[in-house]
Amino acid sequence: GENVEQHPSTLSVQEGDSAVIKCTYSDSASNYFPWYKQELGKRPQLIIDIRSNVGEKKDQRIAVTLNKTAKHFSLHITETQPEDSAVYFCAASKGGANNLFFGTGTRLTVIP
Amino acid sequence: DVKVTQSSRYLVKRTGEKVFLECVQDMDHENMFWYRQDPGLGLRLIYFSYDVKMKEKGDIPEGYSVSREKKERFSLILESASTNQTSMYLCASSPSGISYEQYFGPGTRLTVT
Repeated sequence: GENVEQHPSTLSVQEGDSAVIKCTYSDSASNYFPWYKQELGKRPQLIIDIRSNVGEKKDQRIAVTLNKTAKHFSLHITETQPEDSAVYFCAASKGGANNLFFGTGTRLTVIP
Repeated sequence: DVKVTQSSRYLVKRTGEKVFLECVQDMDHENMFWYRQDPGLGLRLIYFSYDVKMKEKGDIPEGYSVSREKKERFSLILESASTNQTSMYLCASSPSGISYEQYFGPGTRLTVT
């Protein structure tokens, strides 16, 4: 099956700085890579996703990049704000019944 | 607005009890999933279902079973609860087709004593 590794497990940044979270996957057939944000005590919610036919996608302060050759993808958050503090999960999928294989999560803390 | 609800936010059960966790979604989604979330391990898939009465094992199905008798409802069953099943359980649903976004329920924190 698919194996998704995520680093770092914790990340602290000063407000206004950038944050980068990296994930690698093992199955070259994976073609969909979402990122979920889970605030404390709340459910995970999709914040951005990318498909294998695209190398980069941006949504305001958030961007995701994908390197299919190296089998890794990254989440970039610019101009971080305290409300960005949360646990972020990457995931990979080959489609079908939409099985998602999740990374182990990154706890991001933005220090005001 | 997609709504995925779970029957309990917190549950305390004794070792050996049979436990039912229920999940209901109101968006007519074909796919439903049960995950458990543990610190440092992320979200691990227990079972999923892509249609009524259909089920597939995920990564960690041992000690669990599921039931999907109606499209909107997906139940997770712990036949004989054990302390190592103490965890946060998250249900999710998604439509079939090219939209892969999964919508999560609020979670059930189960403690087995």
